Amino acid sequence: QVHLVQSGAEVKKPGASVKVSCKASGYIFTNFGIHWVRQAPGQRLEWMGWINPANGETRYSQKFQDRVTITRDTSATTVYMDLSSLRSEDTALYYCARVVGLHDWFDPWGQGTLVTVSS
Amino acid sequence: DIQMTQSPSSLSASIGDSVSITCRASQGISIYLNWYQQKPGKAPKLLIYAASSLPSGVPSRFSGSGSGTDFTLTISGLQPEDCATYYCQQSYSTPRMYTFGQGTKVEIK
Repeated sequence: QVHLVQSGAEVKKPGASVKVSCKASGYIFTNFGIHWVRQAPGQRLEWMGWINPANGETRYSQKFQDRVTITRDTSATTVYMDLSSLRSEDTALYYCARVVGLHDWFDPWGQGTLVTVSS
Repeated sequence: DIQMTQSPSSLSASIGDSVSITCRASQGISIYLNWYQQKPGKAPKLLIYAASSLPSGVPSRFSGSGSGTDFTLTISGLQPEDCATYYCQQSYSTPRMYTFGQGTKVEIK
């Protein structure tokens, strides 16, 4: 069974960075891309970026281009999302999701990681 | 960027009712449209892909239709476990930049 398991909740101060992990299991890790999506309180889902685990190719939303870095460790079947220069507006649930199919649907999703930015 | 607009933002219906949620894209997206269900405190779950295809395990009371700019998610025979927020997502942009609708919260009367 395909699973994505994310790291635990984080509390960070403004200006700091956070690194969230997403461990994949139950499928061939390098065969499917992984996306990151965040959800601020009461807000819609917001796409942040993507990585191809086979070759490390990445693509980021323009909104986060300057602050987000997505990497992977193929030996650990884990993808990482690093967000820098945190501000209070970055307080949100962060999800990883596997992308599938010709029309790029996300399935499954990780359980989510709450990142709280507070002084 | 392609904008996705859902309506209504929320709805309340009785058990057994049929309900429909619409999603409109700011430009044509063919059938590059997926639907997700999110229950409180849970991650989103894939409900419909490629506008009208049902993943294995999703109850047949859920259906999707549309192409181009206008799409509909229908629940035929609302059940208590369908209380959730539903999101549409487009995956058409080139390069692929994914955007979601604002969500529709479904409640039981």
